[in-house]
Amino acid sequence: GENVEQHPSTLSVQEGDSAVIKCTYSDSASNYFPWYKQELGKGPQLIIDIRSNVGEKKDQRIAVTLNKTAKHFSLHITETQPEDSAVYFCAAGSSGNTPLVFGKGTRLSVIA
Amino acid sequence: EPEVTQTPSHQVTQMGQEVILRCVPISNHLYFYWYRQILGQKVEFLVSFYNNEISEKSEIFDDQFSVERPDGSNFTLKIRSTKLEDSAMYFCAGKGAAPTGELFFGEGSRLTVL
Repeated sequence: GENVEQHPSTLSVQEGDSAVIKCTYSDSASNYFPWYKQELGKGPQLIIDIRSNVGEKKDQRIAVTLNKTAKHFSLHITETQPEDSAVYFCAAGSSGNTPLVFGKGTRLSVIA
Repeated sequence: EPEVTQTPSHQVTQMGQEVILRCVPISNHLYFYWYRQILGQKVEFLVSFYNNEISEKSEIFDDQFSVERPDGSNFTLKIRSTKLEDSAMYFCAGKGAAPTGELFFGEGSRLTVL
């Protein structure tokens, strides 16, 4: 089955700097790669996703890149703000009802 | 904005007791899931449910677990005889008809088994 590895497990950045979180996946059949943000005591919330027919997607300060050949995808957050502090999870899945497989999460701390 | 609602938010139970966690999915969702997150660890898939039956389950989802959607709205997860290692945050999630549509999570039910 699918296996998703995520790095780093913790990341501290100064406010205004960029943050990058990287994930790799194992199943070449996976074609959907969402990123979730989990704030303390809450459920994961989708922040951005990318499908295998594109290499990059951007939404304001957040961008995701996908390299299908290398089976890795990354989350980029620019101009970080304290409210970006949370745990971020990458996930991989394929079409239909196949459940998402999550990475272990990255705890991002943005220091003001 | 529609949301997935879970109850209880926190339940403390004795080992061996039965627990039922409840979820009210978004009304137009068709696929339903339970995920588990042990403190500080990743979100793990337990079971998926579609068209009133289990469509897939993980190794974690053994005979002690069951799910049902008896009245077409509430989606429940039952743990028949809880163990210490069942202590975790349990998330209900759902999505609509699109093959890779967004998965919406509830805020979770924290289960503590003593």
